Amino acid sequence: DAKTTQPPSMDCAEGRAANLPCNHSTISGNEYVYWYRQIHSQGPQYIIHGLKNNETNEMASLIITEDRKSSTLILPHATLRDTAVYYCIVRVVGTGNQFYFGTGTSLTVIP
Amino acid sequence: DGGITQSPKYLFRKEGQNVTLSCEQNLNHDAMYWYRQDPGQGLRLIYYSQIVNDFQKGDIAEGYSVSREKKESFPLTVTSAQKNPTAFYLCASSKWTGGNKDYEQYFGPGTRLTVT
Repeated sequence: DAKTTQPPSMDCAEGRAANLPCNHSTISGNEYVYWYRQIHSQGPQYIIHGLKNNETNEMASLIITEDRKSSTLILPHATLRDTAVYYCIVRVVGTGNQFYFGTGTSLTVIP
Repeated sequence: DGGITQSPKYLFRKEGQNVTLSCEQNLNHDAMYWYRQDPGQGLRLIYYSQIVNDFQKGDIAEGYSVSREKKESFPLTVTSAQKNPTAFYLCASSKWTGGNKDYEQYFGPGTRLTVT
Protein backbone atom coordinates (compact mmCIF):
# COMPACT_ATOMS: atom_id res chain seq x y z
CA ASP A 1 0.00 0.00 0.00
CA ALA A 2 1.20 3.50 -0.80
CA LYS A 3 2.70 5.69 1.90
CA THR A 4 0.93 8.83 3.14
CA THR A 5 2.29 12.07 4.60
CA GLN A 6 0.28 14.22 7.02
CA PRO A 7 1.20 17.23 9.16
CA PRO A 8 1.72 16.11 12.78
CA SER A 9 -0.64 18.67 14.27
CA MET A 10 -3.20 21.37 13.43
CA ASP A 11 -5.49 23.75 15.27
CA CYS A 12 -8.95 24.90 14.21
CA ALA A 13 -11.38 27.38 15.75
CA GLU A 14 -14.70 25.94 16.88
CA GLY A 15 -17.40 26.44 14.25
CA ARG A 16 -14.93 26.90 11.41
CA ALA A 17 -14.10 24.34 8.74
CA ALA A 18 -11.16 22.05 9.47
CA ASN A 19 -9.17 21.13 6.37
CA LEU A 20 -6.80 18.22 6.92
CA PRO A 21 -4.33 17.55 4.08
CA CYS A 22 -2.77 14.25 3.05
CA ASN A 23 -0.13 13.54 0.42
CA HIS A 24 -0.06 10.14 -1.27
CA SER A 25 2.09 10.79 -4.34
CA THR A 26 2.78 7.09 -5.03
CA ILE A 27 -0.87 6.03 -5.02
CA SER A 28 -1.82 3.53 -7.70
CA GLY A 29 -5.02 3.19 -9.66
CA ASN A 30 -6.59 0.50 -7.50
CA GLU A 31 -5.93 2.16 -4.15
CA TYR A 32 -8.67 3.86 -2.16
CA VAL A 33 -8.09 6.77 0.21
CA TYR A 34 -9.56 6.20 3.69
CA TRP A 35 -9.88 8.54 6.64
CA TYR A 36 -10.25 7.45 10.26
CA ARG A 37 -10.02 9.37 13.50
CA GLN A 38 -9.10 8.29 17.02
CA ILE A 39 -10.20 10.10 20.13
CA HIS A 40 -7.82 9.54 23.02
CA SER A 41 -7.84 5.97 24.36
CA GLN A 42 -10.68 4.85 22.09
CA GLY A 43 -10.79 2.69 18.97
CA PRO A 44 -10.42 4.44 15.59
CA GLN A 45 -13.65 5.58 13.97
CA TYR A 46 -14.26 5.33 10.24
CA ILE A 47 -15.02 8.70 8.60
CA ILE A 48 -15.06 8.39 4.82
CA HIS A 49 -13.29 6.84 1.84
CA GLY A 50 -13.04 7.39 -1.90
CA LEU A 51 -11.27 6.32 -5.06
CA LYS A 52 -11.18 9.36 -7.36
CA ASN A 53 -14.42 11.28 -7.04
CA ASN A 54 -15.10 13.67 -4.20
CA GLU A 55 -17.24 12.15 -1.47
CA THR A 56 -19.49 13.58 1.21
CA ASN A 57 -21.32 12.01 4.11
CA GLU A 58 -22.88 13.23 7.34
CA MET A 59 -19.50 13.55 9.02
CA ALA A 60 -17.18 15.05 6.42
CA SER A 61 -16.22 15.68 2.82
CA LEU A 62 -13.28 14.14 1.00
CA ILE A 63 -11.67 16.08 -1.84
CA ILE A 64 -9.23 14.10 -4.00
CA THR A 65 -7.09 15.97 -6.54
CA GLU A 66 -7.42 15.03 -10.18
CA ASP A 67 -4.01 13.34 -10.24
CA ARG A 68 -4.93 11.54 -6.97
CA LYS A 69 -1.61 12.45 -5.40
CA SER A 70 -3.22 14.28 -2.52
CA SER A 71 -6.51 14.64 -0.69
CA THR A 72 -8.17 16.86 1.90
CA LEU A 73 -10.61 15.86 4.60
CA ILE A 74 -13.02 18.67 5.43
CA LEU A 75 -14.99 18.86 8.67
CA PRO A 76 -17.39 21.67 7.75
CA HIS A 77 -18.17 23.03 11.23
CA ALA A 78 -15.64 21.76 13.73
CA THR A 79 -16.76 21.17 17.32
CA LEU A 80 -14.74 20.45 20.45
CA ARG A 81 -15.69 16.79 20.05
CA ASP A 82 -13.78 16.68 16.76
CA THR A 83 -10.50 16.99 18.67
CA ALA A 84 -8.74 13.74 17.75
CA VAL A 85 -5.93 12.17 15.74
CA TYR A 86 -6.91 11.87 12.08
CA TYR A 87 -5.40 9.12 9.94
CA CYS A 88 -5.19 9.13 6.15
CA ILE A 89 -4.66 5.66 4.71
CA VAL A 90 -4.37 4.36 1.17
CA ARG A 91 -5.21 0.76 0.54
CA VAL A 92 -5.35 -1.64 -2.34
CA VAL A 93 -8.96 -2.53 -3.00
CA GLY A 94 -10.15 -6.01 -2.19
CA THR A 95 -7.06 -7.25 -0.37
CA GLY A 96 -8.99 -7.94 2.81
CA ASN A 97 -5.94 -7.38 4.90
CA GLN A 98 -4.74 -4.68 7.19
CA PHE A 99 -5.04 -0.92 7.16
CA TYR A 100 -1.64 0.72 7.65
CA PHE A 101 -2.13 3.45 10.23
CA GLY A 102 0.71 5.96 10.54
CA THR A 103 0.95 8.65 13.22
CA GLY A 104 -1.73 10.88 11.66
CA THR A 105 -2.58 14.54 12.33
CA SER A 106 -3.52 15.61 15.83
CA LEU A 107 -6.35 18.12 15.40
CA THR A 108 -7.18 20.43 18.30
CA VAL A 109 -10.41 22.39 18.07
CA ILE A 110 -10.10 25.59 20.05
CA PRO A 111 -13.13 27.23 21.72
CA ASP B 1 -27.18 -2.66 19.10
CA GLY B 2 -24.54 -3.92 16.67
CA GLY B 3 -20.88 -3.52 17.30
CA ILE B 4 -17.62 -4.89 18.57
CA THR B 5 -16.95 -5.53 22.22
CA GLN B 6 -13.60 -6.00 23.88
CA SER B 7 -13.15 -6.99 27.45
CA PRO B 8 -11.81 -6.05 29.83
CA LYS B 9 -11.01 -2.38 29.23
CA TYR B 10 -7.98 -2.55 31.55
CA LEU B 11 -5.93 -5.67 32.28
CA PHE B 12 -2.97 -6.15 34.58
CA ARG B 13 -0.68 -9.18 34.55
CA LYS B 14 2.61 -10.30 35.99
CA GLU B 15 5.50 -10.95 33.66
CA GLY B 16 5.69 -14.56 32.53
CA GLN B 17 1.93 -15.13 32.48
CA ASN B 18 -0.10 -15.72 29.35
CA VAL B 19 -3.20 -13.54 29.01
CA THR B 20 -6.16 -13.77 26.61
CA LEU B 21 -7.97 -10.70 25.32
CA SER B 22 -11.57 -11.08 24.22
CA CYS B 23 -13.11 -9.69 21.01
CA GLU B 24 -16.71 -10.33 19.97
CA GLN B 25 -18.71 -8.84 17.09
CA ASN B 26 -22.37 -9.10 16.15
CA LEU B 27 -22.06 -7.33 12.80
CA ASN B 28 -21.98 -10.62 10.86
CA HIS B 29 -18.58 -9.62 9.48
CA ASP B 30 -16.34 -12.29 7.99
CA ALA B 31 -12.98 -10.64 8.65
CA MET B 32 -11.49 -9.77 12.03
CA TYR B 33 -8.21 -8.13 12.98
CA TRP B 34 -5.97 -7.47 15.98
CA TYR B 35 -3.81 -4.36 16.18
CA ARG B 36 -1.40 -3.09 18.78
CA GLN B 37 -0.84 0.60 19.55
CA ASP B 38 2.03 2.01 21.59
CA PRO B 39 1.99 5.56 23.02
CA GLY B 40 2.21 8.23 20.30
CA GLN B 41 2.38 5.61 17.58
CA GLY B 42 0.12 4.35 14.84
CA LEU B 43 -1.48 0.90 14.79
CA ARG B 44 0.42 -2.24 13.89
CA LEU B 45 -1.26 -5.43 12.74
CA ILE B 46 -0.75 -8.58 14.83
CA TYR B 47 -3.07 -11.14 13.21
CA TYR B 48 -6.09 -11.16 10.93
CA SER B 49 -8.70 -13.69 9.90
CA GLN B 50 -10.84 -13.56 6.78
CA ILE B 51 -12.89 -16.65 7.54
CA VAL B 52 -13.63 -19.07 10.37
CA ASN B 53 -10.80 -21.52 11.16
CA ASP B 54 -8.29 -19.51 9.15
CA PHE B 55 -5.97 -16.67 10.17
CA GLN B 56 -2.83 -14.96 8.92
CA LYS B 57 0.13 -13.34 10.65
CA GLY B 58 0.44 -9.60 10.48
CA ASP B 59 3.59 -7.52 10.84
CA ILE B 60 4.25 -8.26 14.53
CA ALA B 61 2.81 -11.73 15.24
CA GLU B 62 5.73 -13.03 17.32
CA GLY B 63 4.71 -13.74 20.90
CA TYR B 64 0.98 -13.75 20.10
CA SER B 65 -1.53 -16.44 19.16
CA VAL B 66 -5.15 -16.36 17.98
CA SER B 67 -8.03 -18.68 17.22
CA ARG B 68 -11.15 -18.26 15.09
CA GLU B 69 -13.54 -21.07 15.99
CA LYS B 70 -16.65 -18.91 15.58
CA LYS B 71 -17.46 -16.10 13.18
CA GLU B 72 -18.30 -13.74 16.06
CA SER B 73 -15.19 -14.29 18.14
CA PHE B 74 -11.44 -13.73 17.64
CA PRO B 75 -9.55 -13.98 20.96
CA LEU B 76 -5.90 -12.93 21.18
CA THR B 77 -3.45 -14.58 23.57
CA VAL B 78 -0.41 -12.60 24.61
CA THR B 79 2.16 -15.20 25.56
CA SER B 80 5.14 -14.92 27.87
CA ALA B 81 7.32 -14.92 24.74
CA GLN B 82 6.16 -11.41 23.84
CA LYS B 83 9.03 -9.17 24.95
CA ASN B 84 7.09 -5.91 25.40
CA PRO B 85 3.43 -6.79 25.94
CA THR B 86 2.34 -3.57 27.63
CA ALA B 87 0.25 -1.74 25.01
CA PHE B 88 -3.24 -0.76 23.87
CA TYR B 89 -4.83 -3.62 21.91
CA LEU B 90 -7.53 -2.98 19.33
CA CYS B 91 -9.81 -5.47 17.61
CA ALA B 92 -11.58 -4.67 14.34
CA SER B 93 -13.90 -6.38 11.87
CA SER B 94 -15.05 -5.82 8.30
CA LYS B 95 -17.10 -7.37 5.55
CA TRP B 96 -15.01 -9.45 3.18
CA THR B 97 -16.19 -10.72 -0.15
CA GLY B 98 -12.82 -11.64 -1.61
CA GLY B 99 -13.67 -9.61 -4.65
CA ASN B 100 -13.03 -6.14 -5.96
CA LYS B 101 -15.05 -4.22 -3.40
CA ASP B 102 -13.37 -2.84 -0.34
CA TYR B 103 -14.95 -2.22 3.03
CA GLU B 104 -14.13 -0.12 6.05
CA GLN B 105 -13.03 -1.69 9.31
CA TYR B 106 -14.98 -1.12 12.51
CA PHE B 107 -13.00 -0.99 15.73
CA GLY B 108 -13.77 -2.01 19.28
CA PRO B 109 -13.03 0.23 22.30
CA GLY B 110 -9.69 -1.46 23.01
CA THR B 111 -8.04 -3.21 25.95
CA ARG B 112 -5.14 -1.56 27.74
CA LEU B 113 -2.77 -4.29 28.95
CA THR B 114 -0.13 -3.57 31.56
CA VAL B 115 2.45 -6.23 32.37
CA THR B 116 4.77 -5.72 35.33
